[in-house]
Amino acid sequence: SYELTQPPSVSVSPGQTAGISCSGDKLGDKFASWFQQKPGQSPVLVIYQDTKRPSGIPERFSGSNSGNTATLTISGTQAMDGAKYYCQVWDTNSAVFGGGTELTVL
Amino acid sequence: EVQLLESGGGLVQAGGSLRLSCAASGFTFSSYAMTWVRQAPGKGLEWVSVISGSGGRTYYADSVKGRFTLSRDNSKNTLYLLMNSLRPEDTALYYCAKDETKEVTTGPAWVSWGQGILVTVSS
Repeated sequence: SYELTQPPSVSVSPGQTAGISCSGDKLGDKFASWFQQKPGQSPVLVIYQDTKRPSGIPERFSGSNSGNTATLTISGTQAMDGAKYYCQVWDTNSAVFGGGTELTVL
Repeated sequence: EVQLLESGGGLVQAGGSLRLSCAASGFTFSSYAMTWVRQAPGKGLEWVSVISGSGGRTYYADSVKGRFTLSRDNSKNTLYLLMNSLRPEDTALYYCAKDETKEVTTGPAWVSWGQGILVTVSS
């Protein structure tokens, strides 16, 4: 089965740029989505189809996907962006999530 | 406003069955594919199943294939997940989510999510 690998944690200072990676075999050939989840809350879609932002998601969230790696970039990171982030792709009639990355803003 | 309300969860013994429901409002239910995602306590997200807007196409994760059945009643704006032969590893918070397209695609946009319903399977 297809696997997605994310770093367990990423730290960033407020106002700086955070990058969260997601790796998988030929990931660039698939569409990647990214979800933000805060404790006790439902996931929130922040990026879909590699680069698209749903309505209401701040412009500081952006995505890219090429080769074997998809990346979620948060520019001008704010304290409120601290959360767990999951990447997700569709592969052979099933969806797959990465293990999640804890983003700490400090 | 899109609203998704899950129900039907609870405590069940291993080998038992439960049927989860997801009541939808605020949009034309039959025009959108729907999916279930679960999250075991303290763990990450795991996709469970998806169904097209018409109900004609369904897909399942290998971990639930043959045990879970996803269906929908578009006249009642409700999604159902029938879970049989439950195992302790099925213990999780189950979320239903709405896609932005009618058909199941390789680039889903699960924008709207319910609050989740807890399923606990005891051994």
